[in-house]
Amino acid sequence: GAVVSQHPSRVICKSGTSVKIECRSLDFQATTMFWYRQFPKQSLMLMATSNEGSKATYEQGVEKDKFLINHASLTLSTLTVTSAHPEDSSFYICSVVGASGNTIYFGEGSWLTVV
Amino acid sequence: DAKTTQPPSMDCAEGRAANLPCNHSTISGNEYVYWYRQIHSQGPQYIIHGLKNNETNEMASLIITEDRKSSTLILPHATLRDTAVYYCIVREPTGNQFYFGTGTSLTVIP
Repeated sequence: GAVVSQHPSRVICKSGTSVKIECRSLDFQATTMFWYRQFPKQSLMLMATSNEGSKATYEQGVEKDKFLINHASLTLSTLTVTSAHPEDSSFYICSVVGASGNTIYFGEGSWLTVV
Repeated sequence: DAKTTQPPSMDCAEGRAANLPCNHSTISGNEYVYWYRQIHSQGPQYIIHGLKNNETNEMASLIITEDRKSSTLILPHATLRDTAVYYCIVREPTGNQFYFGTGTSLTVIP
């Protein structure tokens, strides 16, 4: 069964609005989660590392004020795309390290379309 | 940045073995090699990982060269459902971030 759950799987929002994507670890507690973005026909790009109880760590070139990450509990991290624009339309995926530490599990992804 | 290079695409006949190569010439001694695959519009799925020994599980086999500078993922009997993009990733022992390369788009042909 699924180890990581994302919600919503698809969302359409108007330009200028904000949208929140949730990532839940279903089987174990996760102090760290990761957020990726993937444009069509491209590879996954790591955006940020979400740390429970502390600030997220962003990769170079990713705007922290635009992509707000909150990791308020050991099973939930949220990514909020603020003031979304059409160029933010993408596939957003989260990942979680498994309990053994050897395997990293990915969520099913969330398609964001900004119109 | 990704530490791996893979051919952009490959074809394989259904029922035959699919051999997907990966170069990771700058890998260090304590870095693992991971393989994931991504079927269209889904999150990546774990396949297998290894450090220096060859590994096998119910999905695939992983062959790592003795110098560890390259590896091959083997799907022993490819099916149409194995059509996907396959990513080879080098993972630092203390890091859980994955830096994806471009991957190999495998098409299994009937």
